[in-house]
Amino acid sequence: GENVEQHPSTLSVQEGDSAVIKCTYSDSASNYFPWYKQELGKRPQLIIDIRSNVGEKKDQRIAVTLNKTAKHFSLHITETQPEDSAVYFCAASTIGFQKLVFGTGTRLLVSP
Amino acid sequence: DTAVSQTPKYLVTQMGNDKSIKCEQNLGHDTMYWYKQDSKKFLKIMFSYNNKELIINETVPNRFSPKSPDKAHLNLHINSLELGDSAVYFCASKTGVGEQYFGPGTRLTVT
Repeated sequence: GENVEQHPSTLSVQEGDSAVIKCTYSDSASNYFPWYKQELGKRPQLIIDIRSNVGEKKDQRIAVTLNKTAKHFSLHITETQPEDSAVYFCAASTIGFQKLVFGTGTRLLVSP
Repeated sequence: DTAVSQTPKYLVTQMGNDKSIKCEQNLGHDTMYWYKQDSKKFLKIMFSYNNKELIINETVPNRFSPKSPDKAHLNLHINSLELGDSAVYFCASKTGVGEQYFGPGTRLTVT
């Protein structure tokens, strides 16, 4: 079955810096890669996703890149703000298949 | 107008008790899930239902029994609660193209 690894487990940056979180997956059939943000005590919320027919997707300060050959994908946050502080999860699945496999999470701390 | 709701939000109970958590979604999705998030924040799928039919049943003790009376509801019943069951349990529902929406979570504490 699918296995998703996520790094780093914690990431501390200064406000205004960029943050990059990386994930690798094992199942070459996976073609849907969402990213979730979970603030303390809250539910995970989808912030961006990418499908395997594209290599990059951007939404304001957030971008995701996908390298299907290497089986890895990354989340990039530019101009970080304190409100970006949260745990971020990557996940992988095949569209139409019901199971999302999550990475182990990255705790991002943005200091003012 | 909450999309995915769960009750209760907090549940404190003693070992050996039986408890239930309820989940409802008003998004019209066909697929619903139960996840367990432990103290290390790992999110692990437990069960999934599609149109009231069980489609995913991970390696979960049979003390855990999901029930879906209709496609908008998915409940989780836990028998003989153990200390290791303490966690946050999230319900989620999924669109046809894969986006999952989570409920607010139920923090279960077993003493």
